[in-house]
Amino acid sequence: DSGVTQTPKHLITATGQRVTLRCSPRSGDLSVYWYQQSLDQGLQFLIQYYNGEERAKGNILERFSAQQFPDLHSELNLSSLELGDSALYFCASSPPGGSTDTQYFGPGTRLTVL
Amino acid sequence: GENVEQHPSTLSVQEGDSAVIKCTYSDSASNYFPWYKQELGKGPQLIIDIRSNVGEKKDQRIAVTLNKTAKHFSLHITETQPEDSAVYFCAARIGSGGSYIPTFGRGTSLIVHP
Repeated sequence: DSGVTQTPKHLITATGQRVTLRCSPRSGDLSVYWYQQSLDQGLQFLIQYYNGEERAKGNILERFSAQQFPDLHSELNLSSLELGDSALYFCASSPPGGSTDTQYFGPGTRLTVL
Repeated sequence: GENVEQHPSTLSVQEGDSAVIKCTYSDSASNYFPWYKQELGKGPQLIIDIRSNVGEKKDQRIAVTLNKTAKHFSLHITETQPEDSAVYFCAARIGSGGSYIPTFGRGTSLIVHP
């Protein structure tokens, strides 16, 4: 158990809908990263937040957005869902300070868009 | 941007044999190279990492070697056991502006036959 929690574990929805995925980082970690894992694209970095502020952006679609709240939990919002958005979504957290290399991954949310 | 190639995509070994997974990276500025193990239905778990100022690191049956000149690094698992069966991901990271975003390889599915 990494200490990172994600809810829900599974999500099934229809095209065009909007969903919210939630992540709670490990106690004391300030950084949250979101990743998408699909069979054809592998593990793709989406976005990073550090202590409430966006720090880095990767291959995140405009239909997707995220935020990190004062209690440091983070939410990833996916809207106008398409079949191709079906994937595993992971969040990871890393500790503050100089060594922000190590990322601890949550168990993921499996999103199925029908 | 960074590009990470990982080989092989599938590796099948007998219990007790050694397994080697290799990765190459493109950006010579990369300075941190973690390896993750992902079991079915779980998130990636960090198993070992190496920084660019070190050529080799070992942790029990797992070792990682880094050749900065050739820009490749490898994971070595000795005395493999069935519980080592999983997907292994390498990653390379460049630190930039306080962000430490890794680029992942496509993964190697390791199967250890009892």
